[in-house]
Amino acid sequence: GENVEQHPSTLSVQEGDSAVIKCTYSDSASNYFPWYKQELGKGPQLIIDIRSNVGEKKDQRIAVTLNKTAKHFSLHITETQPEDSAVYFCAASTDFGNEKLTFGTGTRLTIIP
Amino acid sequence: DTEVTQTPKHLVMGMTNKKSLKCEQHMGHRAMYWYKQKAKKPPELMFVYSYEKLSINESVPSRFSPECPNSSLLNLHLHALQPEDSALYLCASSQDIGTEQFFGPGTRLTVL
Repeated sequence: GENVEQHPSTLSVQEGDSAVIKCTYSDSASNYFPWYKQELGKGPQLIIDIRSNVGEKKDQRIAVTLNKTAKHFSLHITETQPEDSAVYFCAASTDFGNEKLTFGTGTRLTIIP
Repeated sequence: DTEVTQTPKHLVMGMTNKKSLKCEQHMGHRAMYWYKQKAKKPPELMFVYSYEKLSINESVPSRFSPECPNSSLLNLHLHALQPEDSALYLCASSQDIGTEQFFGPGTRLTVL
């Protein structure tokens, strides 16, 4: 089955700087890669996703890049703000139409004011 | 309405109790999911319903019993739970299988 590794497990960044979180996956058939943000006491919130026919996707301060050859994808947050502090999970799904998301282990991001 | 709601927010139960968790969405989504999340861990899939039919059961113990009464509602019936079942139980929904999943806020369950 699919295995997703996520690094780093914790990340502290000065406000205004950029943050990068990286994930690798094992199953070359994976073609859907969402990122979730989970704040304390809340459920995960989808913040951006990418499919395998796209190399990069951007939404304001958030971007995701995908390298299918190397089987890794990354989340980039620019101009970080205190409200970006949360736990971030990457995930992968093997087939369109597959119900099962395999999650990474999570990254606790802390923005230092 | 663009959210998934879950009740109750918190639940404390004894090992002999029977309780139910409720999840509701009014986005017209046809797939609904139950996840279990332990502290500092990612969500673990438990059950998937597609068009009100159970599609996936991830080998979950029978003390957890899901029910999908209609396309907007998903329940999780709990009976004879163990303390290790204490966790955050998350519900999610998606337009269809394999599309973006939207999570509710979860029910924090404590089993004494």
